[in-house]
Amino acid sequence: KAGVTQTPRYLIKTRGQQVTLSCSPISGHRSVSWYQQTPGQGLQFLFEYFSETQRNKGNFPGRFSGRQFSNSRSEMNVSTLELGDSALYLCASSPDRTDTQYFGPGTRLTVL
Amino acid sequence: GQNIDQPTEMTATEGAIVQINCTYQTSGFNGLFWYQQHAGEAPTFLSYNVLDGLEEKGRFSSFLSRSKGYSYLLLKELQMKDSASYLCAVRSPYGQNFVFGPGTRLSVLP
Repeated sequence: KAGVTQTPRYLIKTRGQQVTLSCSPISGHRSVSWYQQTPGQGLQFLFEYFSETQRNKGNFPGRFSGRQFSNSRSEMNVSTLELGDSALYLCASSPDRTDTQYFGPGTRLTVL
Repeated sequence: GQNIDQPTEMTATEGAIVQINCTYQTSGFNGLFWYQQHAGEAPTFLSYNVLDGLEEKGRFSSFLSRSKGYSYLLLKELQMKDSASYLCAVRSPYGQNFVFGPGTRLSVLP
């Protein structure tokens, strides 16, 4: 089975722009979660989607949003980028909400 | 509140045994997970504990004490490839989301 895939792998943007990141979960997995990873804050939970519905959200501003499609693929959007948004954004999928999560390789976002 | 603590860095010698501790104070508990993350790569699942006791999986074992809010990951017969960060994560029973610790960077020396 193919693993979790994320596109793009690397992205450079400037302050004020917006960005959309994509995640394709492992086939058959219905739950997709997004995390932000920075050296200072570690791995922080952004949100979780299950069956196209956002089930849980972390403590991030409204500039961070996401959605999930009927095929379980998910996108994450960040609007009005700030320098502090530079991070590795990881997507993780699991068959169901209570199962072990499997991570994708991440998208490295740099905001200049 | 949610708080998970791990040592920041550890160093050990190839062939040795190392124990990485994790203490947690979370509002609710629905399992503790350990992940390994090599530099520049995604975290990979190592182990899962939901009941007290020791779970053994090859060279890796994980222990949980729910009453003490404590877990450890034991790595035996260390190899150079075990040099990585080890992340402890607790799953909340309410939102099913994970709270991750800061990670422990392990360096295995020859």
